[in-house]
Amino acid sequence: GQQVMQIPQYQHVQEGEDFTTYCNSSTTLSNIQWYKQRPGGHPVFLIQLVKSGEVKKQKRLTFQFGEAKKNSSLHITATQTTDVGTYFCAGKSASGGSYIPTFGRGTSLIVHP
Amino acid sequence: DVKVTQSSRYLVKRTGEKVFLECVQDMDHENMFWYRQDPGLGLRLIYFSYDVKMKEKGDIPEGYSVSREKKERFSLILESASTNQTSMYLCASSARIQLYEQYFGPGTRLTVT
Repeated sequence: GQQVMQIPQYQHVQEGEDFTTYCNSSTTLSNIQWYKQRPGGHPVFLIQLVKSGEVKKQKRLTFQFGEAKKNSSLHITATQTTDVGTYFCAGKSASGGSYIPTFGRGTSLIVHP
Repeated sequence: DVKVTQSSRYLVKRTGEKVFLECVQDMDHENMFWYRQDPGLGLRLIYFSYDVKMKEKGDIPEGYSVSREKKERFSLILESASTNQTSMYLCASSARIQLYEQYFGPGTRLTVT
């Protein structure tokens, strides 16, 4: 079945440092979504990317979809303690199979003040 | 704002018991989902429903069943709870035209002893 791999599993940063998490698929994706889950909370939808090479920004967060639509990244500039949480990607395969996206295992971001 | 509610935040059941987890959404969404979340494994789809009385198996349906008699309500049933079903269960919903933008409930942490 479709695999969506996310790296790293954990990332410790000092407040003010940048952070990036990567999402890689074994198959071409038709779209990808990113979610954030705060500690003790539930996943909250952040954004969806659809087009090859697409780049979207939300304040200090930059989301990219690869040219081949097989990978994506989320970059946070100058992390703050409010960025703490687990970031998940979810991707829908472009080549048949289920039309429900598969979630990656997430990257947990720990920000040290 | 979309609101997805789940019947219990915490639940403790004994092995062999029949367990019902209820989920209600108030945004008239056609799609509803049940996931389980385990440390290091991310979110895994158990079942999906795209309409009343319609359901599809996800990646890990074994040991679970679902019921959707009304559009706003999606129930997850553990016919005979086992200790390996101890987990966090998350319900989500999405609109038909925005399938991939899922709204999650707060989750039910189920412990089976």
